[in-house]
Amino acid sequence: QVQLVQSGAEVKRPGASVKISCEASGYTFTSYFIDWVRQAPGQGLEWMGIIDPSGGTTSYAQKFQGRVTMTRDASTNTVYMELSSLRSEDTAVYYCARVIGGADTAMLFWGQGTRVTVSS
Amino acid sequence: SYELTQPPSVSVSPGQTASITCSGNKLEDKYVCWYQQKPGQSPVLVVYQDSKRPSGIPERFSGSNSGSTATLTISGTQVMDEADYYCQAWDINTGVFGGGTKLTVL
Repeated sequence: QVQLVQSGAEVKRPGASVKISCEASGYTFTSYFIDWVRQAPGQGLEWMGIIDPSGGTTSYAQKFQGRVTMTRDASTNTVYMELSSLRSEDTAVYYCARVIGGADTAMLFWGQGTRVTVSS
Repeated sequence: SYELTQPPSVSVSPGQTASITCSGNKLEDKYVCWYQQKPGQSPVLVVYQDSKRPSGIPERFSGSNSGSTATLTISGTQVMDEADYYCQAWDINTGVFGGGTKLTVL
């Protein structure tokens, strides 16, 4: 069955960077795009960007341009999301999600989430 | 930037029909999907391409999209359907979520 397993919780200082992993299993890794979505405490879902694991092509939300980098390692079926210059407002749960497939980009499978706390 | 607007909250009695709206400019020109999220859990896709249901999603969940408004309808709402619901669409290679609607079943 399809699974997305994310790395564990992180605590970071303001100004630092965080890199979260999302290991995929149960399907052909290079055949489905993966999105990253975050959710601040008590807030709604926020789309951060998307990566094509096949060629590594990315598209980022304008809000995160210059601060976010999404990469993939096809040898380990893992995608990564790195967010730099962290500030307190980046405290959130970060999710990776695999699209449904075909021409549709709805997010069908979700990771368990990774909590990132930014605090001095 | 493109925006999707949802009511903050909707209340419904068990067994009744709940309707949650999502508004956006020319939304009918885009595919809309809906996610359910319960406290402490990852979101679950309940409707995609405006009106399709993924495998395993009960038939009581349905969707529509016309004009500038998409609607998620839950027929015969059950207590287990109490959750936050988010609409989502794409605008020029950018994903956009609505602000979310808290559905209370009481």
